Amino acid sequence: AQSVAQPEDQVNVAEGNPLTVKCTYSVSGNPYLFWYVQYPNRGLQFLLKYITGDNLVKGSYGFEAEFNKSQTSFHLKKPSALVSDSALYFCAVRDPDDYKLSFGAGTTVTVRA
Amino acid sequence: NAGVTQTPKFRVLKTGQSMTLLCAQDMNHEYMYWYRQDPGMGLRLIHYSVGEGTTAKGEVPDGYNVSRLKKQNFLLGLESAAPSQTSVYFCASRSDRGSSYEQYFGPGTRLTVT
Repeated sequence: AQSVAQPEDQVNVAEGNPLTVKCTYSVSGNPYLFWYVQYPNRGLQFLLKYITGDNLVKGSYGFEAEFNKSQTSFHLKKPSALVSDSALYFCAVRDPDDYKLSFGAGTTVTVRA
Repeated sequence: NAGVTQTPKFRVLKTGQSMTLLCAQDMNHEYMYWYRQDPGMGLRLIHYSVGEGTTAKGEVPDGYNVSRLKKQNFLLGLESAAPSQTSVYFCASRSDRGSSYEQYFGPGTRLTVT
């Protein structure tokens, strides 16, 4: 079985400061990992993915994530947060042999001006 | 190219009523999914389809049925709505080709059952 944990319900940062959203996963094989963002009253938008290769993955809107196999983590980062980054962020994992994604509960990010 | 669309956007049902949610995608994707989103629980998979004419149960299938008669459409039915089905429903699709592993989501349907 595959699962994802996002240990923080909320993350609050000041604009211009670094932003980190944490994610740990559990999967039987090598994981496919994803981050999505959801703005109010909208669907989920894809940010980035790790499938294989370089552990540091760069995605949309200046976000990046680092795959750490030993710690089974895939934390999302942005060096300098913007107020417009305020949203709900979801981490998701898929076993390569499975068709389905498993999502974390989500982390609400608030960036204050 | 509209991507993934869902109809309706909002609906209010009384307990026991039935309805069908329609998802359509114009990306020629093989895989399609229905999720529900509830506060603090992330997205939970209801049913999914790996191709036209095929469907399979996800994590929370009870009280829902689905059909995939055409490749571009994936319908979610509630035969007898219950208040516990009050939620936001999202449809998603994914290609089975190349390196495109991510799912593309529709805008959602907000359903209230009274």
